[in-house]
Amino acid sequence: EVQLVESGGGLVKPGGSLRLSCEASEFSFSSYGMDWVRQAPGKGLEWVSGISASSSFINYADSVKGRFTISRDNAKLYLQMTSLRAEDTAEYYCARVVLLTVGGYYMDVWGKGTTVTVSS
Amino acid sequence: QSVLTQPPSVSGAPGLRVTISCTGSSSNIGAGYDVHWYQHLPGAAPKLLIYRNNNRPSGVPDRFSGSKSGTSASLAITGLRAEDEADYYCQSYDRRLSGSIFGGGTKLTVL
Repeated sequence: EVQLVESGGGLVKPGGSLRLSCEASEFSFSSYGMDWVRQAPGKGLEWVSGISASSSFINYADSVKGRFTISRDNAKLYLQMTSLRAEDTAEYYCARVVLLTVGGYYMDVWGKGTTVTVSS
Repeated sequence: QSVLTQPPSVSGAPGLRVTISCTGSSSNIGAGYDVHWYQHLPGAAPKLLIYRNNNRPSGVPDRFSGSKSGTSASLAITGLRAEDEADYYCQSYDRRLSGSIFGGGTKLTVL
């Protein structure tokens, strides 16, 4: 079964750091771009960051730019989060990206998420 | 405030039809980018429901349909069932932001 499993979430103090991981199974991970999407408590989905299949293209939401770093290796996707703030508290999902030749993309496979809580 | 605007909630009785709108602008939907829809149940992974405006992935019932016109899109659900009760999100791409954008989400209540 095609699957994504996130890990690495937890409780961290404001200003702290955390590294999330996302492990893929049953598909050619290196052939797909990947995104991180989060959902703060009581809020909607928010796109966080994306990385192309070759890691040659990376972008971030303004809310995390300069604090978060997305990366990948042959088997996993990562999100290094630094200078964490209370407003970064959320469920973090990784998602597989399907690029469209006309531009844009959608996310066809999602993980179940990992919880990040930023609190003193 | 989300770049794509959705109604916060919709409701309908079992068996009836509801629609959820998604309004964007000239830098996203109006620029020709496709709209995609996701269903999100509490505690579960978001699920792709409609891709490229009006296409259903394998396994999604034909009770779900999508459309797009101008700077807006909509999701229609016919023959409402209790298990359709969930949050629904539209998603597209914004060329000004150079990234993916979501609507604020719509909570569907089946009465």
